[in-house]
Amino acid sequence: AQKITQTQPGMFVQEKEAVTLDCTYDTSDQSYGLFWYKQPSSGEMIFLIYQGSYDEQNATEGRYSLNFQKARKSTNLVISASQLGDSAMYFCAMREATQGTYKYIFGTGTRLKVLA
Amino acid sequence: GAVVSQHPSRVICKSGTSVKIECRSLDFQATTMFWYRQFPKQSLMLMATSNEGSKATYEQGVEKDKFLINHASLTLSTLTVTSAHPEDSSFYICSAPKTGKPPYTQYFGPGTRLTVL
Repeated sequence: AQKITQTQPGMFVQEKEAVTLDCTYDTSDQSYGLFWYKQPSSGEMIFLIYQGSYDEQNATEGRYSLNFQKARKSTNLVISASQLGDSAMYFCAMREATQGTYKYIFGTGTRLKVLA
Repeated sequence: GAVVSQHPSRVICKSGTSVKIECRSLDFQATTMFWYRQFPKQSLMLMATSNEGSKATYEQGVEKDKFLINHASLTLSTLTVTSAHPEDSSFYICSAPKTGKPPYTQYFGPGTRLTVL
């Protein structure tokens, strides 16, 4: 079963506008971590922002913020004031404990295109 | 953020040869590293977890003898694709989790694009 779901394969946003990328997850763990990564065309995976399952406040990091709704098991990424350089693939990921270690599960990604 | 390097960034080889990819954590120690494979326009697929001082843990469906992993030190893990075939062509990317804040955040290498002719 898919544990991380990103329902938007592609998104467009006008430069300087805000955009929300959706992510829902499925876990029975009480303690888990949620991450967002950006992958530009070069292929590198860039860590953007993190939300812990016990964090009461939504995470923010510069122009990135999370709309974390624990009861709905969603952690949507909001990018404010979009820039052309934001065009990339965005992956949502969950860290879950397994057999004494951690494993990270990635969603299928959303390709964001920022329009000038 | 932390720095993870990966070498080589790109390799082209003939079918039947072996290719070694190195993953290094440059400014922190990593007892665990992860190896992923990514097909074009797809997500990352975890291949194996590399453990310093012990055997790697492979995901279901990943051939251990095909993809040899060695975690030689706290800063180096290697993935060797043995007897490579064209279907092994892919983007291979490693990561290392770093303790601290945020906890166990994965930092990725820049990836290796393997093309097997």
